[in-house]
Amino acid sequence: GEDVEQSLFLSVREGDSSVINCTYTDSSSTYLYWYKQEPGAGLQLLTYIFSNMDMKQDQRLTVLLNKKDKHLSLRIADTQTGDSAIYFCAETLNAGNMLTFGGGTRLMVKP
Amino acid sequence: DADVTQTPRNRITKTGKRIMLECSQTKGHDRMYWYRQDPGLGLRLIYYSFDVKDINKGEISDGYSVSRQAQAKFSLSLESAIPNQTALYFCATSDRGLAGWGGDEQFFGPGTRLTVL
Repeated sequence: GEDVEQSLFLSVREGDSSVINCTYTDSSSTYLYWYKQEPGAGLQLLTYIFSNMDMKQDQRLTVLLNKKDKHLSLRIADTQTGDSAIYFCAETLNAGNMLTFGGGTRLMVKP
Repeated sequence: DADVTQTPRNRITKTGKRIMLECSQTKGHDRMYWYRQDPGLGLRLIYYSFDVKDINKGEISDGYSVSRQAQAKFSLSLESAIPNQTALYFCATSDRGLAGWGGDEQFFGPGTRLTVL
């Protein structure tokens, strides 16, 4: 079955890099996603990576995918207080299929 | 205006009461979803609908029912609420992965915080 796991909490200082990790069990995943949930709001898609890619960079965000170890990470460079939120990784098996979410990692950024 | 709206935003009710949570969207998407969020458990899918005539159970449908009244409206009902249904409920929509990049972005409402006493 599908299972996506994340650590619950991460605390960093403003200006440092943050790395949020995720492991998944289904090797058939085609897309992996990072969603961000700000306080009092719903989730918003932050970035995604297709399973045939190892890395994707988008401004301050870097997504790394290790398919062999079924490990996904999100690196946020120069972390700001506005990055404080809960970050969820998610996977789908193919386009338009159901999302399976991890439990979410709460990122706290200290000034 | 928000593309996906949920009403009510907060609700406190008592055990055994019937509750309906409503979701409306202006994105024109065919697919709609109901999730619940519990701390540390992420989002779990309750029901989903791929179009007005299509309703499917998700991972945790027991104790819940849904109605897809129109393309834009998808409501979730708790027929007889119980305390372990206390959670944050989210509605989401998606466009069947037709955005061009192959994946399937879901758009979430702001959530309904439900407390069952």
